[in-house]
Amino acid sequence: AQKVTQAQTEISVVEKEDVTLDCVYETRDTTYYLFWYKQPPSGELVFLIRRNSFDEQNEISGRYSWNFQKSTSSFNFTITASQVVDSAVYFCALTYGQNFVFGPGTRLSVLP
Amino acid sequence: DGGITQSPKYLFRKEGQNVTLSCEQNLNHDAMYWYRQDPGQGLRLIYYSQIVNDFQKGDIAEGYSVSREKKESFPLTVTSAQKNPTAFYLCASSQSWGAPYEAFFGQGTRLTVV
Repeated sequence: AQKVTQAQTEISVVEKEDVTLDCVYETRDTTYYLFWYKQPPSGELVFLIRRNSFDEQNEISGRYSWNFQKSTSSFNFTITASQVVDSAVYFCALTYGQNFVFGPGTRLSVLP
Repeated sequence: DGGITQSPKYLFRKEGQNVTLSCEQNLNHDAMYWYRQDPGQGLRLIYYSQIVNDFQKGDIAEGYSVSREKKESFPLTVTSAQKNPTAFYLCASSQSWGAPYEAFFGQGTRLTVV
């Protein structure tokens, strides 16, 4: 069955530090999609990235980067030079048939 | 602006009452979803709908009901049969059914039983 594990429940860093959020997934599907979402204190989930199982290229978007490795079933998310505004809960998600399964989330606190 | 609107933001329910959470989208999306979020847990799917007048149970549908009479609207009713309804409820929509399109979320409704 599909499953997403985010082993880091909470992370605290000081502003300008780099931080990596881990995501490990399980699936028997050969074609699947992975996502990262950010949930700020306001509650709304904000889409960050989508990656399909055939594309293992790493992606960089500003201070954000993602490392997808099928060999280890991981889709890790790195924030470079973190800022206070990055404080949020971050969810990794995986397609599950016609739906999505979410990990438990990692709460990131960036301290000034 | 296009998006998903959930109302109310906060809702209080007495024991034995049914309450309805509103979800409206103007993104012209076909698929809509309801998720429940409890502290320290990920999102769990309650119900989803692919098209008007059709919906399917998710992983935790017991004690909940939905309707999809219009493409734009997908209200969720929390019935008295739901034994532990206090939670944060999120509505989402996506361009087409399932992958690969990402889901867009509303700002959520926090339901508390008093």
